[in-house]
Order: sequence, then structure tokens, then C-alpha cells
Amino acid sequence: EVQLVESGGGLVQPGGSLRLSCAASGFTFSSYWMHWVRQVPGKGLVWVSRINTDESSTRYADSVKGRFTISRDNAKKTLYLQMNSLRAEDTAVYYCTRAGVGLWYFDLWGRGTLVTVSS
Amino acid sequence: IELTQSPSFLSASVGDRVTITCRANQGISSYLAWCQQKPGKAPKLLIYAASTLQSGVPSRFSGSGSGTEFTLTISSLQPEDFATYYCQQVNSYPLTFGPGTKVDIK
Repeated sequence: EVQLVESGGGLVQPGGSLRLSCAASGFTFSSYWMHWVRQVPGKGLVWVSRINTDESSTRYADSVKGRFTISRDNAKKTLYLQMNSLRAEDTAVYYCTRAGVGLWYFDLWGRGTLVTVSS
Repeated sequence: IELTQSPSFLSASVGDRVTITCRANQGISSYLAWCQQKPGKAPKLLIYAASTLQSGVPSRFSGSGSGTEFTLTISSLQPEDFATYYCQQVNSYPLTFGPGTKVDIK
């Protein structure tokens, strides 16, 4: 089955760190650009970060630049998001997505993992 | 690039024709997608490149527009279409989404 499954979310204190993982299956993971998108419960979607197929290029939203790092392990078919210096405003459901249409459009989404930053 | 959507909330009946508008504050050619999200679920791609129907999406969904103004039309609303719809631009980074349009049952 073609799917993405996120893990690693949870409760963390402000200033803390967390690493999210996204396991891909059912498709050639190494051929696709991948993204992270987040959503505060009840609010809209916000793009977070993107990585190309061989990790040579990454992009970040200004709100996370310098604090978050996107990476991937093509052999393990896994996407990561290392989140440091977490803030209350980082609280959200984090989705990994595949840019499977024309390199740009998100045609496959995981179910998301909730990150809560609170003391 | 900032995207706005109108209306933000829409109440409609099964069988109604529904149109949602997305406007960009600068030109984005046709680099626009529409996705649907139901409560507690991940978004689902409906339309990409402004007007191309994603595989498996019913033909009652259609998209149009280019530049700064885009529309998503549902020709005959079905019970499973009650959801929130987002437009998304992929013309330039940071990628951005519209604030969403919630389609509710009248």
C-alpha cells in the first residue's frame, strides 16, 4: 500500500527538541521531493520545509529557519524533521507529504503526528 | 505570496453548484492546487496546475483561473463533499495555503 506514516510527536517543554519521522512505503521514496506541513488544530495549513531527492537542497519557512532541520534516509525510506528550540507556537499536527505531481503538488499525505509544546 | 479565499464559510444543500474563489496578491501563473480536508483527516489533492483533475477525483470537481484569480467549482454537491477546501500556491517559496473555505450542510 502506498502510504506515509509519521511518528515521534508528543509533549515537549519550551526550548526542547523533538525529531519527527515519516516512514514511506509502496513507492520509490528516493524519487520524490518531500515536504512537512503543519496545522494547529482547528486552523489552516502551513508549509514548513522541503527536501529534494538527494538532500542537496532544502527550504524552510521563516518561522522555523535555524531551528528545524529536514533530512531523509533513502535507504530506510524515511523522512525526518529535527525540531530544536521549540516554542509554544510550534504546537500543531505535523504532516509529511509527497510532491508526487510535477515536483510541486502534494499528492500523498500522512495522517499526521501531534506536537505539543507546553510546560 | 498571500492567498485569500471567499467565502470563508458556505452553507449548501446536496445537489447545489458551489464555487469557491482563491485570490493571490501577486501573479502565480497556473501554479495552484486545491485540496479537501475532512475533520481529523489529512488533506487530499483535488486539482493541480489550476485546472487539472487529480487521478481518482470525481469529475464534478473542476478548477479554473490563472494569474491572481482562481475558482474551484463543485457542479453538484454530494454528501461526501462537506469539508474544508484550501487553495495552495507552489509558484514560489515559501509555499502558502489559503485560509480555507468550510462547506457545511444547509
